[in-house]
Amino acid sequence: AQKVTQAQTEISVVEKEDVTLDCVYETRDTTYYLFWYKQPPSGELVFLIRRNSFDEQNEISGRYSWNFQKSTSSFNFTITASQVVDSAVYFCALSEVGGKLIFGQGTELSVKP
Amino acid sequence: DTGVSQDPRHKITKRGQNVTFRCDPISEHNRLYWYRQTLGQGPEFLTYFQNEAQLEKSRLLSDRFSAERPKGSFSTLEIQRTEQGDSAMYLCASSLGGARETQYFGPGTRLLVL
Repeated sequence: AQKVTQAQTEISVVEKEDVTLDCVYETRDTTYYLFWYKQPPSGELVFLIRRNSFDEQNEISGRYSWNFQKSTSSFNFTITASQVVDSAVYFCALSEVGGKLIFGQGTELSVKP
Repeated sequence: DTGVSQDPRHKITKRGQNVTFRCDPISEHNRLYWYRQTLGQGPEFLTYFQNEAQLEKSRLLSDRFSAERPKGSFSTLEIQRTEQGDSAMYLCASSLGGARETQYFGPGTRLLVL
């Protein structure tokens, strides 16, 4: 069965600290896609990144970076020099063959000034 | 570019009443998804459409739930005889093209059943 696990329920950091959000997934598909979404207090899910299973290159976008390791079925997300505006719930998701997303339970990140 | 919109944003209803939510996807997006999110959980898939065809329904979607997407544009999700357990955020997402394309989400409709 497809499954996404985000073991960290809540993380609290002080502004400017680096923080890594963990995501572990299970799938029997040989081709699959992984996603990260941000959900600020307003509630709308904001797309951050999409990665396919054949591309294991790490990706960096500004202060955000993603580490995809197929060998450990992990797709971790790091925020460098965190800011208060990064406070939100972050979801990792796995795309099934039909297209529906399987989400993890989310990690609530609190960045304190 | 206009994003996904949902209406209403909030709905309070009494148990036993029917409610209907609307989702307008990003124009030209042919796939439309409905998810439900309860407090402290990740969104859970309910159903999706490819154009006007409803291609998959989750077991979460009981007989009291029905979704439509006439003409392949906007979609409606109706819940009949609401129960307190239906209280949740109902999220709509749309995507362009195939199954693995990025889904863009609307702001959601928060339902409270009293």
